[in-house]
Amino acid sequence: GENVEQHPSTLSVQEGDSAVIKCTYSDSASNYFPWYKQELGKGPQLIIDIRSNVGEKKDQRIAVTLNKTAKHFSLHITETQPEDSAVYFCAASLTGNQFYFGTGTSLTVIP
Amino acid sequence: NAGVTQTPKFRVLKTGQSMTLLCAQDMNHEYMYWYRQDPGMGLRLIHYSVGEGTTAKGEVPDGYNVSRLKKQNFLLGLESAAPSQTSVYFCASSYHVLQEQFFGPGTRLTVL
Repeated sequence: GENVEQHPSTLSVQEGDSAVIKCTYSDSASNYFPWYKQELGKGPQLIIDIRSNVGEKKDQRIAVTLNKTAKHFSLHITETQPEDSAVYFCAASLTGNQFYFGTGTSLTVIP
Repeated sequence: NAGVTQTPKFRVLKTGQSMTLLCAQDMNHEYMYWYRQDPGMGLRLIHYSVGEGTTAKGEVPDGYNVSRLKKQNFLLGLESAAPSQTSVYFCASSYHVLQEQFFGPGTRLTVL
């Protein structure tokens, strides 16, 4: 099956700085890469996703980049705010029936 | 819309006991999923369903059974609970493949 690795496991940034989380995947046939945000005590919530026919996608302060050749994708959060503090998960899917998640990054934004 | 709901929120079992976790969605989604979340291991897929009456195994199916008798409900069963099944269980649903999964609030299960 697919293997998704995520780094770093913890990340602390000053409010207003940028945060970058990186993931690599093993199956070159994977074609859908969502990012989820999980706040304490809640279920994960999709924040952005990208498909393999696109290299970059932006949504306000959040962007995702995909390098299919290197098999890695990254989440970029600019102008971080305290409410961005949460655990972020990347995932990869080939068929859409099975999603393989990374181990998560705990982001802390320091006011 | 309530979205995805899970019952119960918390449960403590003794080794060997059985229980059923209920997931319900009111979004008319075809696809439903059960995950478990363990510290340092992210989310791992247990079973999934691509429509009413269908189920399939995910990444970690051993020790679990599922049923999807109605489109809006997806049940996860533990026939004989083991301490290794202590985890937080999340249900999710999506309208179609390769689309956003909507997660429930989770069930925290402890097996003693």
